[in-house]
Amino acid sequence: KQEVTQIPAALSVPEGENLVLNCSFTDSAIYNLQWFRQDPGKGLTSLLLIQSSQREQTSGRLNASLDKSSGRSTLYIAASQPGDSATYLCAVRGTSGSRLTFGEGTQLTVNP
Amino acid sequence: ETGVTQTPRHLVMGMTNKKSLKCEQHLGHNAMYWYKQSAKKPLELMFVYSLEERVENNSVPSRFSPECPNSSHLFLHLHTLQPEDSALYLCASSQVLGLASYEQYFGPGTRLTVT
Repeated sequence: KQEVTQIPAALSVPEGENLVLNCSFTDSAIYNLQWFRQDPGKGLTSLLLIQSSQREQTSGRLNASLDKSSGRSTLYIAASQPGDSATYLCAVRGTSGSRLTFGEGTQLTVNP
Repeated sequence: ETGVTQTPRHLVMGMTNKKSLKCEQHLGHNAMYWYKQSAKKPLELMFVYSLEERVENNSVPSRFSPECPNSSHLFLHLHTLQPEDSALYLCASSQVLGLASYEQYFGPGTRLTVT
């Protein structure tokens, strides 16, 4: 059974700092990995999708990397802003079916 | 309307009530999903409908009953719920082509409170 772990559970940083969020998964047989952002009481917004054959994806100040063999992904946020404050979720899709397995998330607070 | 919409956004119901949650996607996708998000727990997949056929039921109690009348609409019928069913219920959709499944897009969720 796939398990996804995100570390740290919570992170507080000053504005302008670069930061890294970590995601690990126990079964390396994945189809893709997706990073989401969730604002309090709201739905999920997809940030980046990395296919299993890819090493990284970039969108603006966000960069996600994937090391499938070691079961790890990182989300790098450059020059953080208060508007980046949210919970960041990592989810992996296995090689059969369309099920996503989610981590518990990292709650990020960027202080002005 | 664009993306994935859900109604109602908030729902309070007693344990003897019957209610339904509605989800609609405007993305032309052919798969839809129900997830449950409880406090301090990872999102849990409840149901998957792909090409209007239910393909997965993740051991969900029978007091939750999904319905997918077409590829754009998904319902979750609720009856005789328990207080522990209080959670944020999220709907998502994606495009599925054979074994390939693309990004899932989520709705804003329905915050359900069972009293």
